[in-house]
Amino acid sequence: NAGVTQTPKFRVLKTGQSMTLLCAQDMNHEYMYWYRQDPGMGLRLIHYSVGEGTTAKGEVPDGYNVSRLKKQNFLLGLESAAPSQTSVYFCASKPRPNEQFFGPGTRLTVL
Amino acid sequence: DQQVKQNSPSLSVQEGRISILNCDYTNSMFDYFLWYKKYPAEGPTFLISISSIKDKNEDGRFTVFLNKSAKHLSLHIVPSQPGDSAVYFCAASEGYGQNFVFGPGTRLSVLP
Repeated sequence: NAGVTQTPKFRVLKTGQSMTLLCAQDMNHEYMYWYRQDPGMGLRLIHYSVGEGTTAKGEVPDGYNVSRLKKQNFLLGLESAAPSQTSVYFCASKPRPNEQFFGPGTRLTVL
Repeated sequence: DQQVKQNSPSLSVQEGRISILNCDYTNSMFDYFLWYKKYPAEGPTFLISISSIKDKNEDGRFTVFLNKSAKHLSLHIVPSQPGDSAVYFCAASEGYGQNFVFGPGTRLSVLP
């Protein structure tokens, strides 16, 4: 059981470039989440999904898009990266209303 | 405006002593609370939770206290160990199963 994995672990982008972050979980969890963590801000919810084929906006969704085509995968896309999107991104999943299981994070720098 | 606040960015405690991490919230609709622990370069891991029908929940060395009237919760670690050195996040939700709002975290250092 790998739990929650995130790809890539690190990435440097130039302003305007696009990229996709992949989150995968092998625990058959229904709920999946994308957060960003910034100094002094805690974890802020970007988008989430309550099941395959569903997505919803969180607290800070602007500039990001997501897709949940398969239950085990939750993709976070940046269409045109901006320096304000420099952050550490965490994916999480949970089986039902309960605590979340987090991935190891992706550190993204936008120059 | 942060709905969940952890006003101490950092805390240092001697090994064997008690660590007390505090969390305040402003949304009176929050009724389910969790603490997560995070080591560097890892994702947060769940530590302990409490619902608003309780004022205390205990799990080994970790105890969470909830004071609903003060909108305050605290995490007690007794005795503190060097391996407890990490960032601790408080999180709250309006109802069991709803999305969580996280505090900014408190970095705990347990000194040998």
